[in-house]
Amino acid sequence: SQKIEQNSEALNIQEGKTATLTCNYTNYSPAYLQWYRQDPGRGPVFLLLIRENEKEKRKERLKVTFDTTLKQSLFHITASQPADSATYLCALAIRVNRLAFGKGNQVVVIP
Amino acid sequence: DAGVIQSPRHEVTEMGQEVTLRCKPISGHNSLFWYRQTMMRGLELLIYFNNNVPIDDSGMPEDRFSAKMPNASFSTLKIQPSEPRDSAVYFCASSSSSRDTGELFFGEGSRLTVL
Repeated sequence: SQKIEQNSEALNIQEGKTATLTCNYTNYSPAYLQWYRQDPGRGPVFLLLIRENEKEKRKERLKVTFDTTLKQSLFHITASQPADSATYLCALAIRVNRLAFGKGNQVVVIP
Repeated sequence: DAGVIQSPRHEVTEMGQEVTLRCKPISGHNSLFWYRQTMMRGLELLIYFNNNVPIDDSGMPEDRFSAKMPNASFSTLKIQPSEPRDSAVYFCASSSSSRDTGELFFGEGSRLTVL
């Protein structure tokens, strides 16, 4: 069956450290993968997109990797800040205009 | 520019009642999506429209759910009759095919509680 897996346990991290989140998937061949941020009571907000032929993408303190052999994407927040505390969702493009989302992984940055 | 606008933000209703959720997409966006989010199942796509035409409604749970997009600036999601298991946050999102990122712009959601 098709699955997108993100860690259900919250990641607690000290301010200034690098937070690393994992998105694993099975039985999908996505053309690209996106990461979104969701704050409590708000809708998800797009952060980054990485295509299947790209290994790494960066945007400010964010870095995403995509390994189509391992079927895994890693999402890094460097020099984390309390304002980075949120839930982060990965989303796979499984068809045109069709994204399948993981359940998200909460990050808590401790000052 | 205003983002995606959803109403109501919160709705509490009794089982059997009709519920109508509303969405105004970002002007100029040609795709509109309705998602449902629960703790158990995460974000699930219910239906999406392209140029006001429903393209994929395979995620609509059952006949009690219906969605319309009468014009480019308005869409509704209706549940009739509502059941307690419909309790969730319903998100509307829009996107533009002119953007190569395929990013979705989400509204703030409508939190539905069916008693």
